[in-house]
Amino acid sequence: QQQVKQSPQSLIVQKGGISIINCAYENTAFDYFPWYQQFPGKGPALLIAIRPDVSEKKEGRFTISFNKSAKQFSLHIMDSQPGDSATYFCAASGGTGANNLFFGTGTRLTVIP
Amino acid sequence: NAGVTQTPKFQVLKTGQSMTLQCAQDMNHNSMYWYRQDPGMGLRLIYYSASEGTTDKGEVPNGYNVSRLNKREFSLRLESAAPSQTSVYFCASSQDRANTGELFFGEGSRLTVL
Repeated sequence: QQQVKQSPQSLIVQKGGISIINCAYENTAFDYFPWYQQFPGKGPALLIAIRPDVSEKKEGRFTISFNKSAKQFSLHIMDSQPGDSATYFCAASGGTGANNLFFGTGTRLTVIP
Repeated sequence: NAGVTQTPKFQVLKTGQSMTLQCAQDMNHNSMYWYRQDPGMGLRLIYYSASEGTTDKGEVPNGYNVSRLNKREFSLRLESAAPSQTSVYFCASSQDRANTGELFFGEGSRLTVL
């Protein structure tokens, strides 16, 4: 059973456009929601993260929007660039002694020049 | 600054063979993890170690064993490899629990089981 559901599976965006990736979860014990970025042949690397006490977090061109009541969160990439082409994973963790991070299935983003 | 180092990067095994994936981190982190990445499945946790001397099962532990050799090293062993274990394996580490901060990943070990 997938703890975190991610969509779309792939996304093609024109340079300068907005990329939007969505995730949903069911476990209300989750209290930490990071996004990881992975380039081909590399391991994932933390991009941005949010906790449920805020509805939005912005770092440069990357924004996480969080809707606690709907149990959904999304990543928005503004002014998308070809260098943003990568696979993006949402994730969630939380609960007593939480030491496991559940990942979504990933979104392959391609930004066309 | 190496971070998380995994060996080997590539390995081909025959069904039934055994092997160990090695992982070492130089960031003095307490927690270490082994994930596998498969197309359409994302990253799934195999085992984790919250601290030296402790290990716990993740989502997909069957067919694997782990050893937290010391604070730096966390190995993953396949005792009798099966084609279903063909995957890319990632080791990761974090200072504390996974829900308190960033996981740092190695570059992965691509394993093919024939």
